[in-house]
Amino acid sequence: GAVVSQHPSWVICKSGTSVKIECRSLDFQATTMFWYRQFPKQSLMLMATSNEGSKATYEQGVEKDKFLINHASLTLSTLTVTSAHPEDSSFYICSARGRGYNQPQHFGDGTRLSIL
Amino acid sequence: KQEVTQIPAALSVPEGENLVLNCSFTDSAIYNLQWFRQDPGKGLTSLLLIQSSQREQTSGRLNASLDKSSGRSTLYIAASQPGDSATYLCALRVDYKLSFGAGTTVTVRA
Repeated sequence: GAVVSQHPSWVICKSGTSVKIECRSLDFQATTMFWYRQFPKQSLMLMATSNEGSKATYEQGVEKDKFLINHASLTLSTLTVTSAHPEDSSFYICSARGRGYNQPQHFGDGTRLSIL
Repeated sequence: KQEVTQIPAALSVPEGENLVLNCSFTDSAIYNLQWFRQDPGKGLTSLLLIQSSQREQTSGRLNASLDKSSGRSTLYIAASQPGDSATYLCALRVDYKLSFGAGTTVTVRA
Protein backbone atom coordinates (compact mmCIF):
# COMPACT_ATOMS: atom_id res chain seq x y z
CA GLY A 1 0.00 0.00 0.00
CA ALA A 2 0.90 3.65 -0.23
CA VAL A 3 3.33 4.73 2.46
CA VAL A 4 4.07 8.25 3.63
CA SER A 5 7.10 8.78 5.82
CA GLN A 6 7.36 11.85 8.04
CA HIS A 7 10.53 12.90 9.83
CA PRO A 8 11.33 13.70 12.55
CA SER A 9 8.65 12.15 14.75
CA TRP A 10 9.51 14.39 17.70
CA VAL A 11 11.51 17.57 17.98
CA ILE A 12 12.23 19.84 20.93
CA CYS A 13 13.98 23.12 20.34
CA LYS A 14 14.50 26.56 21.78
CA SER A 15 12.32 29.52 20.99
CA GLY A 16 13.56 31.47 17.98
CA THR A 17 14.99 28.55 16.05
CA SER A 18 13.66 27.22 12.75
CA VAL A 19 12.51 23.64 12.39
CA LYS A 20 12.17 21.63 9.18
CA ILE A 21 9.81 18.67 8.86
CA GLU A 22 10.04 16.30 5.92
CA CYS A 23 7.26 14.35 4.29
CA ARG A 24 8.07 11.65 1.74
CA SER A 25 5.90 9.37 -0.35
CA LEU A 26 7.86 6.12 -0.50
CA ASP A 27 6.13 4.09 -3.19
CA PHE A 28 4.05 6.49 -5.21
CA GLN A 29 4.29 9.90 -6.81
CA ALA A 30 2.59 12.54 -4.71
CA THR A 31 1.32 15.25 -6.99
CA THR A 32 -0.42 16.94 -4.07
CA MET A 33 0.67 17.14 -0.45
CA PHE A 34 -1.21 18.54 2.50
CA TRP A 35 0.00 19.86 5.84
CA TYR A 36 -2.23 19.72 8.91
CA ARG A 37 -1.93 20.91 12.47
CA GLN A 38 -3.63 19.19 15.39
CA PHE A 39 -4.05 20.50 18.92
CA PRO A 40 -4.82 18.05 21.78
CA LYS A 41 -8.31 16.58 21.55
CA GLN A 42 -9.10 18.67 18.48
CA SER A 43 -9.55 17.84 14.85
CA LEU A 44 -6.94 18.20 12.16
CA MET A 45 -6.84 21.67 10.66
CA LEU A 46 -5.57 22.04 7.12
CA MET A 47 -2.74 24.54 6.96
CA ALA A 48 -1.76 24.42 3.31
CA THR A 49 -1.89 22.42 0.11
CA SER A 50 1.02 22.09 -2.27
CA ASN A 51 1.30 20.74 -5.78
CA GLU A 52 4.64 19.59 -7.10
CA GLY A 53 6.56 22.47 -8.59
CA SER A 54 4.04 25.10 -7.53
CA LYS A 55 3.71 27.50 -4.65
CA ALA A 56 1.66 26.27 -1.73
CA THR A 57 -1.89 27.43 -1.16
CA TYR A 58 -2.38 28.47 2.45
CA GLU A 59 -5.63 28.35 4.38
CA GLN A 60 -7.05 31.51 5.84
CA GLY A 61 -5.26 32.56 9.00
CA VAL A 62 -2.08 30.58 8.32
CA GLU A 63 1.02 32.77 8.07
CA LYS A 64 2.89 31.84 4.92
CA ASP A 65 6.05 33.55 6.12
CA LYS A 66 5.95 31.58 9.34
CA PHE A 67 5.21 28.19 7.78
CA LEU A 68 7.31 27.74 4.66
CA ILE A 69 6.30 24.86 2.43
CA ASN A 70 8.37 23.45 -0.38
CA HIS A 71 7.23 20.67 -2.72
CA ALA A 72 10.22 20.38 -4.99
CA SER A 73 9.74 16.80 -6.17
CA LEU A 74 7.00 14.23 -6.59
CA THR A 75 8.12 12.41 -3.46
CA LEU A 76 9.14 15.14 -1.02
CA SER A 77 7.54 18.11 0.67
CA THR A 78 8.98 20.08 3.57
CA LEU A 79 7.43 22.33 6.17
CA THR A 80 9.74 24.82 7.87
CA VAL A 81 8.50 26.56 10.98
CA THR A 82 10.54 29.75 11.06
CA SER A 83 11.49 31.52 14.28
CA ALA A 84 9.40 29.08 16.26
CA HIS A 85 7.74 30.16 19.51
CA PRO A 86 5.97 28.17 22.24
CA GLU A 87 2.57 28.83 20.63
CA ASP A 88 3.79 26.92 17.56
CA SER A 89 4.05 23.77 19.66
CA SER A 90 1.65 21.26 18.19
CA PHE A 91 1.31 18.00 16.29
CA TYR A 92 1.94 18.43 12.56
CA ILE A 93 0.77 15.78 10.09
CA CYS A 94 1.38 15.59 6.38
CA SER A 95 -0.57 13.65 3.79
CA ALA A 96 0.02 12.89 0.16
CA ARG A 97 -2.19 12.09 -2.78
CA GLY A 98 -1.19 10.51 -6.05
CA ARG A 99 -2.11 11.52 -9.54
CA GLY A 100 -5.84 11.51 -10.20
CA TYR A 101 -8.68 13.45 -8.63
CA ASN A 102 -10.24 10.38 -6.99
CA GLN A 103 -7.06 9.23 -5.28
CA PRO A 104 -7.26 9.10 -1.44
CA GLN A 105 -4.91 10.94 0.89
CA HIS A 106 -2.30 8.85 2.69
CA PHE A 107 -1.06 10.18 6.01
CA GLY A 108 2.31 10.29 7.71
CA ASP A 109 2.79 9.45 11.37
CA GLY A 110 3.04 13.08 12.41
CA THR A 111 5.66 15.25 14.10
CA ARG A 112 5.35 16.39 17.69
CA LEU A 113 6.93 19.85 17.88
CA SER A 114 7.72 21.29 21.30
CA ILE A 115 9.18 24.79 21.55
CA LEU A 116 10.73 25.71 24.89
CA LYS B 1 -18.14 25.96 5.22
CA GLN B 2 -18.45 22.26 6.08
CA GLU B 3 -19.01 21.60 9.79
CA VAL B 4 -18.29 18.07 11.00
CA THR B 5 -19.46 16.94 14.43
CA GLN B 6 -18.70 13.70 16.21
CA ILE B 7 -20.69 12.67 19.23
CA PRO B 8 -19.85 11.42 21.78
CA ALA B 9 -16.39 12.83 22.30
CA ALA B 10 -15.45 9.79 24.39
CA LEU B 11 -16.84 6.33 24.92
CA SER B 12 -15.90 3.48 27.26
CA VAL B 13 -17.30 -0.01 26.78
CA PRO B 14 -16.56 -3.51 28.06
CA GLU B 15 -14.89 -5.94 25.70
CA GLY B 16 -17.30 -7.69 23.37
CA GLU B 17 -19.80 -4.88 23.18
CA ASN B 18 -20.67 -3.39 19.79
CA LEU B 19 -19.57 0.19 19.17
CA VAL B 20 -21.62 2.85 17.39
CA LEU B 21 -19.83 6.07 16.46
CA ASN B 22 -21.65 8.99 14.93
CA CYS B 23 -20.59 11.69 12.50
CA SER B 24 -22.82 14.52 11.27
CA PHE B 25 -22.10 17.13 8.65
CA THR B 26 -23.78 20.26 7.34
CA ASP B 27 -23.03 20.22 3.61
CA SER B 28 -24.26 17.17 1.70
CA ALA B 29 -22.33 18.07 -1.45
CA ILE B 30 -19.50 15.73 -0.59
CA TYR B 31 -17.22 13.70 -2.83
CA ASN B 32 -16.64 10.97 -0.28
CA LEU B 33 -16.49 10.27 3.45
CA GLN B 34 -13.69 8.48 5.22
CA TRP B 35 -13.27 7.01 8.67
CA PHE B 36 -9.81 7.01 10.23
CA ARG B 37 -8.24 5.58 13.35
CA GLN B 38 -5.64 7.56 15.29
CA ASP B 39 -3.57 6.05 18.07
CA PRO B 40 -2.04 8.43 20.67
CA GLY B 41 0.80 10.48 19.19
CA LYS B 42 0.43 8.84 15.81
CA GLY B 43 -0.83 9.66 12.36
CA LEU B 44 -4.03 8.46 10.73
CA THR B 45 -4.89 5.00 9.51
CA SER B 46 -7.68 4.82 6.95
CA LEU B 47 -10.42 2.35 7.90
CA LEU B 48 -13.21 2.80 5.38
CA LEU B 49 -13.96 5.12 2.49
CA ILE B 50 -17.51 5.62 1.23
CA GLN B 51 -18.01 7.30 -2.10
CA SER B 52 -20.79 9.83 -2.41
CA SER B 53 -22.90 7.41 -4.46
CA GLN B 54 -22.59 4.59 -1.92
CA ARG B 55 -24.65 3.88 1.18
CA GLU B 56 -22.22 1.71 3.13
CA GLN B 57 -18.88 -0.04 3.22
CA THR B 58 -17.76 -3.04 5.21
CA SER B 59 -14.39 -4.39 6.20
CA GLY B 60 -14.20 -7.25 8.68
CA ARG B 61 -15.83 -6.14 11.94
CA LEU B 62 -16.26 -2.60 10.67
CA ASN B 63 -19.27 -1.23 8.84
CA ALA B 64 -19.83 2.39 7.88
CA SER B 65 -23.03 3.88 6.54
CA LEU B 66 -23.65 7.17 4.78
CA ASP B 67 -26.91 9.10 4.58
CA LYS B 68 -26.27 12.33 2.73
CA SER B 69 -29.88 13.51 2.96
CA SER B 70 -29.71 13.61 6.75
CA GLY B 71 -26.02 14.56 6.86
CA ARG B 72 -24.98 11.52 8.87
CA SER B 73 -22.54 8.69 8.86
CA THR B 74 -22.24 5.90 11.41
CA LEU B 75 -19.31 3.60 12.08
CA TYR B 76 -20.18 0.24 13.63
CA ILE B 77 -17.51 -1.91 15.22
CA ALA B 78 -18.74 -5.37 16.12
CA ALA B 79 -17.53 -7.34 19.13
CA SER B 80 -15.08 -4.71 20.35
CA GLN B 81 -11.62 -5.68 21.57
CA PRO B 82 -9.09 -3.80 23.75
CA GLY B 83 -7.02 -3.30 20.61
CA ASP B 84 -9.85 -1.17 19.21
CA SER B 85 -9.07 1.51 21.79
CA ALA B 86 -8.15 4.63 19.83
CA THR B 87 -9.60 7.88 18.53
CA TYR B 88 -11.83 7.55 15.50
CA LEU B 89 -12.11 10.46 13.11
CA CYS B 90 -14.50 11.01 10.25
CA ALA B 91 -13.51 13.23 7.35
CA LEU B 92 -15.49 14.54 4.44
CA ARG B 93 -13.99 15.39 1.12
CA VAL B 94 -15.36 18.43 -0.65
CA ASP B 95 -13.41 19.34 -3.79
CA TYR B 96 -9.80 18.44 -2.96
CA LYS B 97 -9.94 19.14 0.78
CA LEU B 98 -10.79 16.98 3.77
CA SER B 99 -12.80 18.40 6.67
CA PHE B 100 -12.32 16.49 9.89
CA GLY B 101 -14.42 15.99 12.97
CA ALA B 102 -12.78 16.24 16.39
CA GLY B 103 -13.04 12.50 16.87
CA THR B 104 -14.48 10.01 19.33
CA THR B 105 -12.00 8.49 21.77
CA VAL B 106 -12.90 4.88 22.45
CA THR B 107 -11.72 2.81 25.39
CA VAL B 108 -12.50 -0.90 25.37
CA ARG B 109 -12.12 -2.39 28.85
CA ALA B 110 -10.82 -5.95 29.13
